[in-house]
Amino acid sequence: ETGVTQTPRHLVMGMTNKKSLKCEQHLGHNAMYWYKQSAKKPLELMFVYSLEERVENNSVPSRFSPECPNSSHLFLHLHTLQPEDSALYLCASSQGGESGNTIYFGEGSWLTVV
Amino acid sequence: GQNIDQPTEMTATEGAIVQINCTYQTSGFNGLFWYQQHAGEAPTFLSYNVLDGLEEKGRFSSFLSRSKGYSYLLLKELQMKDSASYLCAAYSNDYKLSFGAGTTVTVRA
Repeated sequence: ETGVTQTPRHLVMGMTNKKSLKCEQHLGHNAMYWYKQSAKKPLELMFVYSLEERVENNSVPSRFSPECPNSSHLFLHLHTLQPEDSALYLCASSQGGESGNTIYFGEGSWLTVV
Repeated sequence: GQNIDQPTEMTATEGAIVQINCTYQTSGFNGLFWYQQHAGEAPTFLSYNVLDGLEEKGRFSSFLSRSKGYSYLLLKELQMKDSASYLCAAYSNDYKLSFGAGTTVTVRA
């Protein structure tokens, strides 16, 4: 248990579906992240929110839409995805700041686009 | 941009020592993280180096040379449960953590 909870753990969706991934952190952190992890590739930073404001958007296609209603919750809304979007999506949180910015990851949501 | 390099795979025997090297080219570098990730699980924090030198935590040690853009993770007295992927990540500003592709370590009996 890392203090970062993601749901659902597994999701299969068609290319025309709309679905959402949810993340909740119980650590009192002020920054939250979405990462994408594909097989044999480095983790890719998608979005960063600090104090509920988006501070980083790493050229992610618009079919991925993040939402951060408060500092404890983060969503990733999915719409008209492609099969190549199938991957493990990891949510993470941190306290922020220059030093000791340890990022704690959730268990991940395995997404399969069919 | 960010460039993080580490070996893809390493194999070692139970009880042995393994050293995983990582080189990085990162603008605005602040520090170097190591994470462990077991198959199907989330990455878990192992170490964070800001200053040059060796930091030891039990069986695991991490080293950093900022001038050389180089780090290593040293795993001693290997156990079967240490079989996992080890991720090197460079921290470059308040919120940017760039990862290498990971090194899969297999520990054999």
